[in-house]
Amino acid sequence: EAAVTQSPRNKVTVTGGNVTLSCRQTNSHNYMYWYRQDTGHGLRLIHYSYGAGNLQIGDVPDGYKATRTTQEDFFLLLELASPSQTSLYFCASSDYQTQDTQYFGPGTRLLVL
Amino acid sequence: AQSVTQPDARVTVSEGASLQLRCKYSYSGTPYLFWYVQYPRQGLQLLLKYYSGDPVVQGVNGFEAEFSKSNSSFHLRKASVHWSDSAVYFCVLRTGANTGKLTFGHGTILRVHP
Repeated sequence: EAAVTQSPRNKVTVTGGNVTLSCRQTNSHNYMYWYRQDTGHGLRLIHYSYGAGNLQIGDVPDGYKATRTTQEDFFLLLELASPSQTSLYFCASSDYQTQDTQYFGPGTRLLVL
Repeated sequence: AQSVTQPDARVTVSEGASLQLRCKYSYSGTPYLFWYVQYPRQGLQLLLKYYSGDPVVQGVNGFEAEFSKSNSSFHLRKASVHWSDSAVYFCVLRTGANTGKLTFGHGTILRVHP
């Protein structure tokens, strides 16, 4: 089974702060995704990537940047954090052949004060 | 635009009872549908998926789902639930042909009384 890890697991920052969320998957999956999960909204796609150096815009990209540095690593950047970005963030990965089966990390809970 | 609706935000059942979680979708293309489950303090896991063919698909842990094109539905069922089935269940629609993009419903919180 694919392993997806996220760090940190919890993060508190202040409005205007700079935050980087990290995700690593160890099965060399092509696709990686960043989602946010909020009560009443389910999961919403922020950014995704097809491979190292590639970035695609998701459904709720405003206020977020992302970078895929390697096949394994995908980062989500909040350069000027706002309270509206308080959320539970999930990273996921999938293989090109079985892209519908996404493997999720345990999540990062972010609180922006 | 595509969408997934799970009309029941919360469902409570007793252990051993049968279960149905409802899902309706809206999509002009060919729907590829999934159910994912999120156990407490964990990420999501795939429960089952439907691409085509037999409208009833089997998943893990005794779950099954039935696709209905005429009703635009993909309801999840289980004959006899266990307390460990308590979790959040998401109905999901694939909307990107080769992107892996998924559209999630808002989720249904299932609570099973022991």
